[in-house]
Amino acid sequence: KNEVEQSPQNLTAQEGEFITINCSYSVGISALHWLQQHPGGGIVSLFMLSSGKKKHGRLIATINIQEKHSSLHITASHPRDSAVYICAVLNYGGSQGNLIFGKGTKLSVKP
Amino acid sequence: DGGITQSPKYLFRKEGQNVTLSCEQNLNHDAMYWYRQDPGQGLRLIYYSQIVNDFQKGDIAEGYSVSREKKESFPLTVTSAQKNPTAFYLCASRNPGTGRLGYTFGSGTRLTVV
Repeated sequence: KNEVEQSPQNLTAQEGEFITINCSYSVGISALHWLQQHPGGGIVSLFMLSSGKKKHGRLIATINIQEKHSSLHITASHPRDSAVYICAVLNYGGSQGNLIFGKGTKLSVKP
Repeated sequence: DGGITQSPKYLFRKEGQNVTLSCEQNLNHDAMYWYRQDPGQGLRLIYYSQIVNDFQKGDIAEGYSVSREKKESFPLTVTSAQKNPTAFYLCASRNPGTGRLGYTFGSGTRLTVV
């Protein structure tokens, strides 16, 4: 079983829809990252969370440490949001600072 | 602006040849990482370095080598011993000394063996 599980693997939405991507993890963590990977491959860090909720524009990320679960929400989705969204966790006490990555959720937003 | 530069973006290599992927950062970050991404899989750690002149193997280090002679640079060599080198390679950095946990990622290099 993977230590970081994302769902769904693929998601197709119509422009304007509210989108939720989920991430569950099985290890103790210091922080959780949400990343965005565009077709060209480069990765952009969207959020880093250790508790609660963060918002940036139309993106909202939440984390429930007790349930070991995080969600990424996109409000009023737009075709430019089409990308792969990756959840990654920083293992608590990991001296290397290495991230454990989920396999990603491929989002396609249709106009 | 500070960031990570990976070059080249696309790289083609003949089977049996070694090839070196470049990763340069001007963020003054101590720690640098190399990850490999294959279709349908999460990124996997190849090598990491937390300080100049020191580096450690990650989960899939076989067939790869690295050096860290300068703080800014962490090149990755894909050797002929790597059985399946075609993949997307991503470099990242962070500065654990500041207590900040944020990572910065490069734009990646896509390597194809022909």
